[in-house]
Amino acid sequence: NAGVTQTPKFQVLKTGQSMTLQCAQDMNHEYMSWYRQDPGMGLRLIHYSVGAGITDQGEVPNGYNVSRSTTEDFPLRLLSAAPSQTSVYFCASSPFFAGTGVSYEQYFGPGTRLTVT
Amino acid sequence: GNSVTQMEGPVTLSEEAFLTINCTYTATGYPSLFWYVQYPGEGLQLLLKATKADDKGSNKGFEATYRKETTSFHLEKGSVQVSDSAVYFCALSEKNFNKFYFGSGTKLNVKP
Repeated sequence: NAGVTQTPKFQVLKTGQSMTLQCAQDMNHEYMSWYRQDPGMGLRLIHYSVGAGITDQGEVPNGYNVSRSTTEDFPLRLLSAAPSQTSVYFCASSPFFAGTGVSYEQYFGPGTRLTVT
Repeated sequence: GNSVTQMEGPVTLSEEAFLTINCTYTATGYPSLFWYVQYPGEGLQLLLKATKADDKGSNKGFEATYRKETTSFHLEKGSVQVSDSAVYFCALSEKNFNKFYFGSGTKLNVKP
């Protein structure tokens, strides 16, 4: 199993450009999520999905779009990049069984380091 | 709402010293609690977890006990190694929702 993969590893954008960060997992996990990591602020949830066709906003969704057309893939789109979006982005996945009262650990990808100039 | 507070770092210790990293939480229900570790340039890896009060999670010499009365989940290790140098994140997850809330992270530096 490759686990959670993310591409690219590094990216530099100019203000106003758009791009898509790719995330894929091969563990058949229903739950997938995107976080950004900024110094001193831990990880903040951007968007998440509990299955194909279902997405919802997290703590800091503005400026980002997601879609989930398959169980495996959960791309994050930056619509018009801003310097405030300079960050390290992590994708994560976990099993999810609604109503079981169980929380499962999240498996993280290696991250994408994005710089917006 | 839900939140996690960790002690600020960096924490610098000599090899074989005792480690404690404090973590307290606020939650609306009865969450599961986790410690994750991040080595330089890598993603987060699960270190240990506890799913109910008084549970003790342990792994690689690290331990943490879920204390409902003090809403805490402090990470401890009896004798740290240089290879333990990393950033440690405390996190909680609401049962049935799987949304995670992370602390700000504590950087640990272990000197030989």
